[in-house]
Amino acid sequence: DTEVTQTPKHLVMGMTNKKSLKCEQHMGHRAMYWYKQKAKKPPELMFVYSYEKLSINESVPSRFSPECPNSSLLNLHLHALQPEDSALYLCASSQVNRGGEKLFFGSGTQLSVL
Amino acid sequence: AQKVTQAQTEISVVEKEDVTLDCVYETRDTTYYLFWYKQPPSGELVFLIRRNSFDEQNEISGRYSWNFQKSTSSFNFTITASQVVDSAVYFCALSEGTTSGTYKYIFGTGTRLKVLA
Repeated sequence: DTEVTQTPKHLVMGMTNKKSLKCEQHMGHRAMYWYKQKAKKPPELMFVYSYEKLSINESVPSRFSPECPNSSLLNLHLHALQPEDSALYLCASSQVNRGGEKLFFGSGTQLSVL
Repeated sequence: AQKVTQAQTEISVVEKEDVTLDCVYETRDTTYYLFWYKQPPSGELVFLIRRNSFDEQNEISGRYSWNFQKSTSSFNFTITASQVVDSAVYFCALSEGTTSGTYKYIFGTGTRLKVLA
């Protein structure tokens, strides 16, 4: 199983809603990542978890709250988002967080904030 | 600072033509890793190749080939006899270490390749 599974695939939410994005992998990887990708732009790193601990937060606003409940799961909790937060949210994993590790990506959640 | 430049925003070719996607990088590190990823319309980035800074050997995998030249800080990607299924956005990326000992990717802005039948 070399898949990273993300749910839901599409999400529409209002600015007052609370929602969560979910990411799962069963490759035994110990590093997991959240990226945000706007249309026609490269992915931008948001968070890195290494061995279930948050190791990088790229100054992401607190309305995005990551959680890594175990080595296979990564969540992104969303609250009071703004329309400019509409984007494709990609989850990725790697064996460990180390130079040269290749990332395995999910197909993303397309988020629209109204 | 580390940087990856993909000057070609969009390329269109006719099927069976060869096409080269350019990637130029900047880094102060002596040990670094370069990658190419493909992003088809489905959205998922797919790993294509990884190269470390000590291995300048060019690589060929089927219709794909990569040319790594440290002297010009370039890591170019050639598709031979392109096919419609090659239509996608291609990202070049550089792996960067941080002061905390963690690593992150620096992605180029991507090149959108359209292969016309």
